[in-house]
Parts: sequence; C-alpha cells; structure tokens
Amino acid sequence: AQTVTQSQPEMSVQEAETVTLSCTYDTSESDYYLFWYKQPPSRQMILVIRQEAYKQQNATENRFSVNFQKAAKSFSLKISDSQLGDAAMYFCAAHDNTDKLIFGTGTRLQVFP
Amino acid sequence: DAGVIQSPRHEVTEMGQEVTLRCKPISGHNSLFWYRQTMMRGLELLIYFNNNVPIDDSGMPEDRFSAKMPNASFSTLKIQPSEPRDSAVYFCASSLYGLNTEAFFGQGTRLTVV
Repeated sequence: AQTVTQSQPEMSVQEAETVTLSCTYDTSESDYYLFWYKQPPSRQMILVIRQEAYKQQNATENRFSVNFQKAAKSFSLKISDSQLGDAAMYFCAAHDNTDKLIFGTGTRLQVFP
Repeated sequence: DAGVIQSPRHEVTEMGQEVTLRCKPISGHNSLFWYRQTMMRGLELLIYFNNNVPIDDSGMPEDRFSAKMPNASFSTLKIQPSEPRDSAVYFCASSLYGLNTEAFFGQGTRLTVV
C-alpha cells in the first residue's frame, strides 16, 4: 500500500531564512507523482509544487524547490527567503496510477519575524 | 472561475441527524474528490468520481456515508445517521483529469456532531 510519512509535526524558521520540510513515501509503482500542498488558517488547500517521478530534475517554483531522491523515496521541500505568509500546514502527497492522492500527516510551519 | 465551492462552511448537528455536504467543482473538470481531515488520521480520500461516475469508494468509512454526483457541476456527501466521530473537516476537490493534473480544493466544511 502506498504511504506518505512526514516526521516533523512542527517546524519554525526566521523570516528571510531557509527551511526544509521532510517527506518520505513508499510505493511499488514506477510511475507516480508527488506534491506539496499548503494549508493556511483559511483551510484552503493550495498546491505549492509538483514532481513527476520520471523526471530527474528537481521541480522549482520561485522560492519553493524540492529535493527528490527517488532511490531513497524522499521528497523534501525547501522554502528559501521565508516570509510571514508562508506560515501554514504543509502536506506532502503522493499519487500513483491507482488515482488515489495519499497525504502525509502534515508539518506546521511557523515563521518568526 | 470561482474555484471549487463547498457549502455549508460550518455545520453543527445533533447525533442521529442527516447531514448533507455540497460541492460545485470547477467548470470543465472531469474528476471530483471528497476528503476528510481529522487530527488523528490526517487527510483521507473518501471517494472520487470521474465523469460523474464513482470510481473508488473504498475510503468511505461506513454505510452511513454516501456520495452522489448527478451531473458535472454538483456533488453531495451525505451522512445518515451522523455520529460524533464524524466530526471533521470535509474537503471537496476537482481536477481536469484525474490526479496527474493539479487538484483544486474547496475551503472545506467543518462538521461538528454533538
């Protein structure tokens, strides 16, 4: 069965600094997709970044980038130049050909001025 | 487009009552998903539809839960009878085609069963 594990319930970072959120997953599929979603206090789930497993290049979206280690089944999110608006719950998610998007338990990120 | 619209935003109901949650997906999206979020279990996929047809409902916890999608622009999740352990935030999401494309989430319905 596909599983997604986020081992950091909470993280904190100072404004303008860099923080890395960890995620590991387990799947027997060779073709799958990985996502990071952000959930601010408004509860809206917002896609931050998406990675296709067959692509070796790490995905990047402005200040957000991932470190995708396929052999280790690791998919960490790096937030550079952290801003107060980055404070939220971050969920790692994995999707394979069974069409189920499985979420980790989330990491609460606090950003301090 | 206004995005995925869920109603109500908050629902408080007494145990044993029927609860109906509603979702309007983004126009043109072919796939719709219902998720439940709790502190204990995180985000769980309950059911998803493709072109209005339920594809996988293995995440639906019990027979008390049912979901319908009578047309491409509307879906409901019904709990009958409701129980306190059903208290959670229920999210609806839609995507253009399955989950290989970005899933857009509604703002969720916070359900409290007392």
